[in-house]
Amino acid sequence: KQEVTQIPAALSVPEGENLVLNCSFTDSAIYNLQWFRQDPGKGLTSLLLIQSSQREQTSGRLNASLDKSSGRSTLYIAASQPGDSATYLCAVPRSYNTDKLIFGTGTRLQVFP
Amino acid sequence: EAQVTQNPRYLITVTGKKLTVTCSQNMNHEYMSWYRQDPGLGLRQIYYSMNVEVTDKGDVPEGYKVSRKEKRNFPLILESPSPNQTSLYFCASSFSTGFADTQYFGPGTRLTVL
Repeated sequence: KQEVTQIPAALSVPEGENLVLNCSFTDSAIYNLQWFRQDPGKGLTSLLLIQSSQREQTSGRLNASLDKSSGRSTLYIAASQPGDSATYLCAVPRSYNTDKLIFGTGTRLQVFP
Repeated sequence: EAQVTQNPRYLITVTGKKLTVTCSQNMNHEYMSWYRQDPGLGLRQIYYSMNVEVTDKGDVPEGYKVSRKEKRNFPLILESPSPNQTSLYFCASSFSTGFADTQYFGPGTRLTVL
């Protein structure tokens, strides 16, 4: 059974720091992995989608890597800003090429000025 | 503007009073799904739909119904709500399959069942 874990559950950093968020999954036979951002009281916004054949994806200051063999993905945020404050979630299909997604419980990030 | 809309955004109701939460997307997406989000449990999928008239259960379908009569709409129905269905609900859509494409989420519906 696929399980997704995100550590840490919460993170508070000063503006300007580079930081890494972690996502671990128990079944390495995944089709892809998605990272989302959730702002308080709002829905989720997709940040990056990494296919199983890829090792990383980049969007602006965000870089997500995927290591299927170790069951891990990391989201790297460069030069963090207060506007990056949000909860970050990762999600994988429950089993290979199924339409059921399973989400981690998220990392709540606060970037203070 | 491409978006997923949900109504209502907030709802307080009483046990047993049937309710419907609407979801609509204007992106011509085939795939739509419903999630609930609870503290400590994260997001869990309730139902999903691959296309019109095609629906399937997610991880927590008990107590919920859905229908997909039109491509753009995917309402969530609670026939007899109970307090354990108090939660934050999200509707999502994607172009084709839910796992291969970027998913777009609605703003959420906060439901309280007394």
